[in-house]
Amino acid sequence: AQTVTQSQPEMSVQEAETVTLSCTYDTSESNYYLFWYKQPPSRQMILVIRQEAYKQQNATENRFSVNFQKAAKSFSLKISDSQLGDTAMYFCAFMKTGGAQKLVFGQGTRLTINP
Amino acid sequence: GAVVSQHPSWVICKSGTSVKIECRSLDFQATTMFWYRQFPKQSLMLMATSNEGSKATYEQGVEKDKFLINHASLTLSTLTVTSAHPEDSSFYICSASPVPGGEGYYGYTFGSGTRLTVV
Repeated sequence: AQTVTQSQPEMSVQEAETVTLSCTYDTSESNYYLFWYKQPPSRQMILVIRQEAYKQQNATENRFSVNFQKAAKSFSLKISDSQLGDTAMYFCAFMKTGGAQKLVFGQGTRLTINP
Repeated sequence: GAVVSQHPSWVICKSGTSVKIECRSLDFQATTMFWYRQFPKQSLMLMATSNEGSKATYEQGVEKDKFLINHASLTLSTLTVTSAHPEDSSFYICSASPVPGGEGYYGYTFGSGTRLTVV
């Protein structure tokens, strides 16, 4: 079975700073997908960024980028120029390939951006 | 973009009664939907996978008779909490894939959740 671990329950940074959220996972699969989802106070889950395991290039979406280390089974999220609207719970998630597979979520990191 | 509509957004019911939560895909067809439960400040716990036209697949430890799932059409899945008790109070969320086969690229779209309070 796959497991996802987020070792930082809470983080807090000042606006405009850069912050990195950690995520490690365990799997015996060779190909899979990894995601970061954001859950703001509204509790609506929002996809932030995704990574395919067979792609070595790290994914980037505007201010959000990942550091994907397949051998180390690590998938960290970097938020640059953080904004107040980035305040949210962030969940790292793993998904096997092959159709409608379920997401396996980490415990989450509560990120607070201070003005 | 793809939208998953979930209703009601919040509900209060008396202990012993049943509550139905609806999850609709508004602009796409969803053969598979997922139901999650989330406790305050915790992660999402998958309860079951809902498949259109067939029985749902429940995760280990989830009571099938308490959490009834019906996926009668390609755009609607329902979760019924039967004989609800205070310990069933929680936040329930559904999700679906807007692009079947494209889950790895597009991820899943989530409903806005339902806060259930049993008194």
